[in-house]
Amino acid sequence: GAVVSQHPSWVICKSGTSVKIECRSLDFQATTMFWYRQFPKQSLMLMATSNEGSKATYEQGVEKDKFLINHASLTLSTLTVTSAHPEDSSFYICSARPAGSEDTQYFGPGTRLTVL
Amino acid sequence: GDSVTQMEGPVTLSEEAFLTINCTYTATGYPSLFWYVQYPGEGLQLLLKATKADDKGSNKGFEATYRKETTSFHLEKGSVQVSDSAVYFCALSGGNFNKFYFGSGTKLNVKP
Repeated sequence: GAVVSQHPSWVICKSGTSVKIECRSLDFQATTMFWYRQFPKQSLMLMATSNEGSKATYEQGVEKDKFLINHASLTLSTLTVTSAHPEDSSFYICSARPAGSEDTQYFGPGTRLTVL
Repeated sequence: GDSVTQMEGPVTLSEEAFLTINCTYTATGYPSLFWYVQYPGEGLQLLLKATKADDKGSNKGFEATYRKETTSFHLEKGSVQVSDSAVYFCALSGGNFNKFYFGSGTKLNVKP
């Protein structure tokens, strides 16, 4: 149980285009989902916290207009990287917190984004 | 703000050696503490956790004790295997929304 999927697992796009990444909790409902960015050989950096049905809360330094987050249902959150640039190339990871749980998160396998 | 500091790697050990990966934290309130493991090409998996002071989390031979007095949560294993080669992340959960804060990760290489 407690599986989180991400789609796609990797994507290559041209500079200036937008890319959407999906995060799904497959066997539980998640009132809160988190989006992280992981640079090579570095830790995960929290980008934003997404609550179902409300606007995402972004961490300091993360551009909300560039990284659009939508949490339309209890099992799906999406991250759209708008007008992508090469510096946006990274590994994006989502996690989902089951409803009723305070400190448990289940992580997706990540999405590798490469912007040419 | 809340933060986690863990020892830099890589750590290279021979099979059956003793492992310690140090982790210390800074937090307001009473966070929960975690160790996550990331195997090559895979996502993060929860290895163990502890939710209050003096709790010991354990799994797959790994242990860590929540030490409030030293604000530490060091990971230990008595005898590592080649299959333990991975990156280990220490993390805490606390504050608003119980957000997670991760350490920088420690890569462990175990040689046969």
